Amino acid sequence: DVKVTQSSRYLVKRTGEKVFLECVQDMDHENMFWYRQDPGLGLRLIYFSYDVKMKEKGDIPEGYSVSREKKERFSLILESASTNQTSMYLCASSSPAGESDTQYFGPGTRLTVL
Amino acid sequence: AQRVTQPEKLLSVFKGAPVELKCNYSYSGSPELFWYVQYSRQRLQLLLRHISRESIKGFTADLNKGETSFHLKKPFAQEEDSAMYYCALSPSGGYNKLIFGAGTRLAVHP
Repeated sequence: DVKVTQSSRYLVKRTGEKVFLECVQDMDHENMFWYRQDPGLGLRLIYFSYDVKMKEKGDIPEGYSVSREKKERFSLILESASTNQTSMYLCASSSPAGESDTQYFGPGTRLTVL
Repeated sequence: AQRVTQPEKLLSVFKGAPVELKCNYSYSGSPELFWYVQYSRQRLQLLLRHISRESIKGFTADLNKGETSFHLKKPFAQEEDSAMYYCALSPSGGYNKLIFGAGTRLAVHP
Protein backbone atom coordinates (compact mmCIF):
# COMPACT_ATOMS: atom_id res chain seq x y z
CA ASP A 1 0.00 0.00 0.00
CA VAL A 2 1.15 3.49 -0.84
CA LYS A 3 1.64 5.57 2.21
CA VAL A 4 1.64 9.35 2.10
CA THR A 5 2.13 11.03 5.43
CA GLN A 6 1.91 14.67 6.42
CA SER A 7 3.78 16.09 9.39
CA SER A 8 0.80 17.58 11.22
CA ARG A 9 -2.96 17.00 11.23
CA TYR A 10 -3.69 20.38 12.80
CA LEU A 11 -1.60 23.53 12.88
CA VAL A 12 -2.31 26.99 14.29
CA LYS A 13 -0.05 29.86 13.29
CA ARG A 14 -0.06 33.63 13.55
CA THR A 15 -0.18 36.11 10.68
CA GLY A 16 3.30 36.77 9.32
CA GLU A 17 4.85 33.53 10.54
CA LYS A 18 6.79 31.28 8.19
CA VAL A 19 5.07 27.92 8.00
CA PHE A 20 6.44 24.58 6.82
CA LEU A 21 4.18 21.69 5.83
CA GLU A 22 5.97 18.41 5.22
CA CYS A 23 4.90 15.46 3.11
CA VAL A 24 6.61 12.10 2.81
CA GLN A 25 5.76 9.18 0.51
CA ASP A 26 7.23 5.69 0.72
CA MET A 27 6.55 4.35 -2.79
CA ASP A 28 9.41 5.95 -4.73
CA HIS A 29 6.96 8.10 -6.69
CA GLU A 30 8.40 10.71 -9.04
CA ASN A 31 5.45 13.11 -8.91
CA MET A 32 4.31 14.96 -5.83
CA PHE A 33 1.59 17.58 -5.43
CA TRP A 34 0.28 20.13 -2.97
CA TYR A 35 -3.39 21.13 -3.01
CA ARG A 36 -5.58 23.22 -0.81
CA GLN A 37 -9.12 22.05 -0.19
CA ASP A 38 -11.82 24.62 0.50
CA PRO A 39 -15.60 24.11 0.74
CA GLY A 40 -17.31 25.06 -2.48
CA LEU A 41 -14.00 25.30 -4.34
CA GLY A 42 -12.83 21.70 -4.32
CA LEU A 43 -9.11 21.00 -4.58
CA ARG A 44 -6.85 23.56 -6.16
CA LEU A 45 -3.29 22.78 -7.16
CA ILE A 46 -0.66 24.97 -5.52
CA TYR A 47 2.60 23.41 -6.75
CA PHE A 48 3.82 20.11 -8.05
CA SER A 49 7.16 18.40 -8.58
CA TYR A 50 8.05 15.73 -11.12
CA ASP A 51 11.59 15.08 -9.90
CA VAL A 52 14.03 16.02 -7.17
CA LYS A 53 14.73 19.75 -7.20
CA MET A 54 12.16 20.24 -9.98
CA LYS A 55 8.98 22.19 -9.34
CA GLU A 56 6.15 23.70 -11.34
CA LYS A 57 3.52 26.25 -10.35
CA GLY A 58 -0.02 25.09 -10.14
CA ASP A 59 -3.13 27.23 -10.32
CA ILE A 60 -2.70 29.19 -7.09
CA PRO A 61 1.04 29.48 -6.24
CA GLU A 62 0.97 33.03 -4.87
CA GLY A 63 2.14 33.22 -1.29
CA TYR A 64 3.60 29.70 -1.37
CA SER A 65 6.88 28.06 -2.26
CA VAL A 66 8.03 24.44 -2.26
CA SER A 67 11.14 22.40 -1.76
CA ARG A 68 12.05 18.91 -2.95
CA GLU A 69 15.55 17.98 -1.89
CA LYS A 70 14.85 14.24 -1.66
CA LYS A 71 12.59 12.11 -3.79
CA GLU A 72 10.37 11.03 -0.92
CA ARG A 73 9.83 14.45 0.66
CA PHE A 74 7.97 17.51 -0.65
CA SER A 75 7.63 20.58 1.53
CA LEU A 76 5.18 23.43 1.22
CA ILE A 77 6.31 26.77 2.62
CA LEU A 78 4.13 29.73 3.48
CA GLU A 79 6.64 32.57 3.51
CA SER A 80 4.46 34.92 5.54
CA ALA A 81 1.20 33.31 6.58
CA SER A 82 -2.00 35.27 6.10
CA THR A 83 -5.54 34.60 7.30
CA ASN A 84 -6.70 33.78 3.76
CA GLN A 85 -4.34 30.81 3.82
CA THR A 86 -6.43 29.15 6.49
CA SER A 87 -7.40 25.90 4.78
CA MET A 88 -6.98 22.14 4.54
CA TYR A 89 -3.76 21.24 2.73
CA LEU A 90 -3.47 17.92 0.95
CA CYS A 91 -0.33 16.30 -0.37
CA ALA A 92 -0.41 13.62 -3.07
CA SER A 93 2.01 11.49 -5.04
CA SER A 94 1.90 9.48 -8.24
CA SER A 95 4.21 7.60 -10.54
CA PRO A 96 4.59 7.83 -14.32
CA ALA A 97 4.74 4.03 -14.43
CA GLY A 98 1.72 1.75 -14.18
CA GLU A 99 -1.55 3.52 -13.39
CA SER A 100 0.16 6.85 -13.64
CA ASP A 101 -2.95 8.93 -13.27
CA THR A 102 -3.76 7.65 -9.82
CA GLN A 103 -2.80 10.11 -7.14
CA TYR A 104 -2.41 8.88 -3.59
CA PHE A 105 -3.31 11.40 -0.95
CA GLY A 106 -2.12 12.12 2.54
CA PRO A 107 -4.52 12.67 5.45
CA GLY A 108 -4.31 16.44 5.19
CA THR A 109 -3.13 19.28 7.42
CA ARG A 110 -5.76 21.70 8.67
CA LEU A 111 -3.99 25.03 9.00
CA THR A 112 -5.51 27.95 10.87
CA VAL A 113 -3.84 31.35 10.61
CA LEU A 114 -4.87 33.79 13.31
CA ALA B 1 -9.99 26.76 -20.49
CA GLN B 2 -9.80 23.47 -18.64
CA ARG B 3 -12.58 23.19 -16.14
CA VAL B 4 -14.60 20.61 -14.24
CA THR B 5 -18.09 21.52 -13.08
CA GLN B 6 -20.12 19.68 -10.47
CA PRO B 7 -23.40 21.60 -10.33
CA GLU B 8 -24.72 20.10 -7.09
CA LYS B 9 -23.13 20.89 -3.73
CA LEU B 10 -25.36 18.44 -1.93
CA LEU B 11 -27.34 15.44 -3.09
CA SER B 12 -29.66 13.92 -0.53
CA VAL B 13 -31.36 10.56 -1.20
CA PHE B 14 -32.94 7.69 0.71
CA LYS B 15 -31.37 4.28 0.97
CA GLY B 16 -32.23 2.15 -2.05
CA ALA B 17 -32.87 5.12 -4.35
CA PRO B 18 -30.87 5.64 -7.54
CA VAL B 19 -28.04 8.14 -7.45
CA GLU B 20 -26.55 10.30 -10.18
CA LEU B 21 -23.79 12.76 -9.40
CA LYS B 22 -23.26 15.11 -12.29
CA CYS B 23 -19.92 16.14 -13.77
CA ASN B 24 -19.30 18.26 -16.84
CA TYR B 25 -15.92 19.20 -18.19
CA SER B 26 -14.33 21.67 -20.55
CA TYR B 27 -11.22 20.44 -22.33
CA SER B 28 -10.08 20.71 -25.93
CA GLY B 29 -8.18 17.43 -26.15
CA SER B 30 -8.97 13.83 -25.23
CA PRO B 31 -9.57 13.88 -21.50
CA GLU B 32 -8.87 11.31 -18.87
CA LEU B 33 -11.52 11.52 -16.20
CA PHE B 34 -11.79 10.22 -12.68
CA TRP B 35 -14.01 10.14 -9.65
CA TYR B 36 -12.36 10.50 -6.26
CA VAL B 37 -14.18 9.96 -2.97
CA GLN B 38 -13.58 11.12 0.59
CA TYR B 39 -15.43 9.31 3.35
CA SER B 40 -15.76 10.92 6.75
CA ARG B 41 -12.39 11.10 8.54
CA GLN B 42 -10.64 9.29 5.70
CA ARG B 43 -8.25 10.47 3.07
CA LEU B 44 -9.23 11.22 -0.50
CA GLN B 45 -9.00 8.13 -2.70
CA LEU B 46 -9.62 7.09 -6.26
CA LEU B 47 -13.06 5.59 -6.86
CA LEU B 48 -12.90 4.93 -10.57
CA ARG B 49 -11.33 6.05 -13.83
CA HIS B 50 -13.09 6.20 -17.18
CA ILE B 51 -10.47 4.20 -19.08
CA SER B 52 -11.04 1.18 -16.84
CA ARG B 53 -14.75 1.03 -17.66
CA GLU B 54 -15.31 -0.90 -14.44
CA SER B 55 -17.84 -0.78 -11.63
CA ILE B 56 -16.51 0.00 -8.17
CA LYS B 57 -18.77 -0.41 -5.11
CA GLY B 58 -21.70 -0.53 -7.55
CA PHE B 59 -20.80 2.85 -9.10
CA THR B 60 -20.31 3.35 -12.83
CA ALA B 61 -19.48 6.38 -14.92
CA ASP B 62 -19.64 6.77 -18.67
CA LEU B 63 -17.71 9.36 -20.58
CA ASN B 64 -20.00 11.20 -23.00
CA LYS B 65 -17.79 13.27 -25.26
CA GLY B 66 -20.76 14.79 -27.09
CA GLU B 67 -22.20 16.20 -23.89
CA THR B 68 -18.74 16.57 -22.24
CA SER B 69 -20.05 14.75 -19.20
CA PHE B 70 -18.87 12.03 -16.85
CA HIS B 71 -21.77 11.43 -14.48
CA LEU B 72 -21.41 8.95 -11.63
CA LYS B 73 -24.31 6.56 -11.15
CA LYS B 74 -25.46 3.87 -8.77
CA PRO B 75 -28.81 2.12 -9.06
CA PHE B 76 -29.40 1.58 -5.32
CA ALA B 77 -27.72 3.89 -2.81
CA GLN B 78 -26.43 2.57 0.51
CA GLU B 79 -25.86 4.54 3.71
CA GLU B 80 -22.13 3.80 3.49
CA ASP B 81 -22.02 5.68 0.19
CA SER B 82 -22.41 8.94 2.11
CA ALA B 83 -19.25 10.91 1.32
CA MET B 84 -17.77 13.79 -0.64
CA TYR B 85 -17.31 13.00 -4.32
CA TYR B 86 -14.95 14.86 -6.62
CA CYS B 87 -14.80 14.61 -10.38
CA ALA B 88 -11.33 15.24 -11.83
CA LEU B 89 -9.73 15.67 -15.24
CA SER B 90 -6.17 14.87 -16.21
CA PRO B 91 -4.83 16.93 -19.12
CA SER B 92 -2.67 14.97 -21.52
CA GLY B 93 1.06 15.47 -21.12
CA GLY B 94 0.59 17.24 -17.82
CA TYR B 95 2.72 15.23 -15.36
CA ASN B 96 -0.45 13.58 -14.09
CA LYS B 97 -1.86 16.87 -12.85
CA LEU B 98 -5.50 16.76 -11.88
CA ILE B 99 -8.11 19.46 -12.22
CA PHE B 100 -10.87 18.93 -9.67
CA GLY B 101 -14.47 20.01 -9.53
CA ALA B 102 -15.91 21.67 -6.44
CA GLY B 103 -17.28 18.38 -5.16
CA THR B 104 -20.72 17.01 -4.33
CA ARG B 105 -21.66 15.77 -0.91
CA LEU B 106 -23.85 12.70 -1.10
CA ALA B 107 -26.03 12.05 1.93
CA VAL B 108 -27.89 8.72 1.98
CA HIS B 109 -30.61 8.57 4.61
CA PRO B 110 -32.04 5.39 6.14
